[in-house]
This record gives sequence, C-alpha cells and structure tokens, in this order.
Amino acid sequence: DTGVSQNPRHKITKRGQNVTFRCDPISEHNRLYWYRQTLGQGPEFLTYFQNEAQLEKSRLLSDRFSAERPKGSFSTLEIQRTEQGDSAMYLCASSLGNSHYEQYFGPGTRLTVT
Amino acid sequence: DQQVKQNSPSLSVQEGRISILNCDYTNSMFDYFLWYKKYPAEGPTFLISISSIKDKNEDGRFTVFLNKSAKHLSLHIVPSQPGDSAVYFCAAGGDYNTDKLIFGTGTRLQVFP
Repeated sequence: DTGVSQNPRHKITKRGQNVTFRCDPISEHNRLYWYRQTLGQGPEFLTYFQNEAQLEKSRLLSDRFSAERPKGSFSTLEIQRTEQGDSAMYLCASSLGNSHYEQYFGPGTRLTVT
Repeated sequence: DQQVKQNSPSLSVQEGRISILNCDYTNSMFDYFLWYKKYPAEGPTFLISISSIKDKNEDGRFTVFLNKSAKHLSLHIVPSQPGDSAVYFCAAGGDYNTDKLIFGTGTRLQVFP
C-alpha cells in the first residue's frame, strides 16, 4: 500500500494557462475526493467520486474547473484559464466508503499562478 | 458560514505535559468527527475519529472526547512530544446529504522541550 499519490507536487503557471493535476488513490478505495487549501484555512471540499461517478460538486468549483475519474481508479483535475486566485494547495483523498470512513490524503499539488 | 470552528489558532505546550485542542461545530446533522495532523508541505494525516454514538475514543497517546449537547469535541495528547508539533485540523462529516468533510481552520501546536 503506497498511499495516495499526486502529481505534480508543484506547478507554476502563468495566468490564463490551463493546468491538469493527477491523483492516484489507495487501490481498494472506491471514493475519491478533491479539496483545496489556502493559507490559514482548512481544506475546502471541491468534488468527489464514487468509482467513476461524480456525485457532488461544490459551488467553489466554477465552470473553469473539471474533474474526471474515467475508469474509477485515478482522477484528474483540470483548471482552465487559470487566475491568480486559483493559487492554492490541491489535495486529493480517498476512502473505502462514505463519510463515516476515514479519508486518506495525498501530499497535495501546490499551484502558483503568476 | 463556518460550520466547524477551531478558535485557538495556536497552542504551546511543554514536552511531557498534556495538549488539549478544541473544536466546536454548529450542524447537528454531523455524526462523525475526525482529527488530522498536518506538517508543512504534506497532506493531512488521519489521527483519530469518533462516531456520535460514543463520547470518547482512545488510541495510544491520543484521546478524542465528544460532547454532543455542547456540539464540542476535543483532542487530548498525553504525553506531548516534540514530534507532535504540527497543525491539527478538526473535521466533521456524516450529514446524510453529502459525503464531504468540513474542516476547521486548524490549531498550530508547538511542543517545546
């Protein structure tokens, strides 16, 4: 069990560019979550999947954001036309089931938009 | 609308003493609570959880207490060690409408020798 992995760990991009992050969950976990964390705040929920189905999206997730989990394994989070306000740590977590199960987090991808 | 609140941004404790971190919540639909520890440049690490059917859960040096009537939970670390120095987040879930966790803003714990 290698835990949740995320790539890249760091991304610096210019405003207006598109970026894509990848998350590989713990292999037997069917739920996968994306959160965003900014300085001084706790993680904020963005979206989650059960297998390949996207079950909920936060209103934080504007139409510039899209997430997929095509085969129910890894997931990608894409941000189009990045803005400086998108600069944050993007965290992925996975769990065996619903919110009564612990969510295990990856190391995160730190995005800096210049 | 901060549904989970950690009102103490920081706490400093001497090694060997007890650390008590507090958390309050407002949504009575929450029925599952978790504590995470976070080091800089890493993702949160799960520490301990408690279901609303319990009022205490213990795992080694870590104990979580839940007071449902007060909508309050606390994490006790005994004895505190320098390696415990990190940011601690309280999280709540179990609202039947969603599977997401709602996090507090964190408490930075520093354990000094």
